Amino acid sequence: DAKTTQPTSMDCAEGRAANLPCNHSTISGNEYVYWYRQIHSQGPQYIIHGLKNNETNEMASLIITEDRKSSTLILPHATLRDTAVYYCIVRVVYGQNFVFGPGTRLSVLP
Amino acid sequence: GAVVSQHPSWVICKSGTSVKIECRSLDFQATTMFWYRQFPKQSLMLMATSNEGSKATYEQGVEKDKFLINHASLTLSTLTVTSAHPEDSSFYICSARDLRASGEHNEQFFGPGTRLTVL
Repeated sequence: DAKTTQPTSMDCAEGRAANLPCNHSTISGNEYVYWYRQIHSQGPQYIIHGLKNNETNEMASLIITEDRKSSTLILPHATLRDTAVYYCIVRVVYGQNFVFGPGTRLSVLP
Repeated sequence: GAVVSQHPSWVICKSGTSVKIECRSLDFQATTMFWYRQFPKQSLMLMATSNEGSKATYEQGVEKDKFLINHASLTLSTLTVTSAHPEDSSFYICSARDLRASGEHNEQFFGPGTRLTVL
């Protein structure tokens, strides 16, 4: 079973920041938080992952709370092409498969 | 980043026929590949784990004789859906783990998926 809970859906205005929350209260010390997204009829696309420090790359920022029980993915300037299902997954590095929950369906509105 | 391809991207077949789907890691070697299935409006579900040179490990409820997996090289795994039926219609996605990855880098990459429609 997925170890995370996410809102079912969210809307965001184009050009604004999209903040996607994720709860992972049972996360273990050696588990990372990964974020993937899936645009309709495509394979999952890696966004970012982190252990305890906040992370930023060209796609997004990942903010992890100090107790590591929750995190937020931030898309700083959402575009229509960011409309997708976003999956938050906890997993050890070099672990086995990814366990996908239902994710959050983000709709970026013009 | 590392690239994983799948072929075909979509396929339509008649009930009772077999369909082979290929998963290739294009610029890295993968000792382990994973096969997922995704039904409409649902999330990805792991079907099996494929290890190069050994038998695949299937998840509970997945028929190994129906979904044949072969991982004959470090860059290729195949999934064959035998005697396909309409209920096998789904989106099949593979992922591959980069053998060279180390440290904190993401080491697993997903293919674009194959949509199977069985008539």
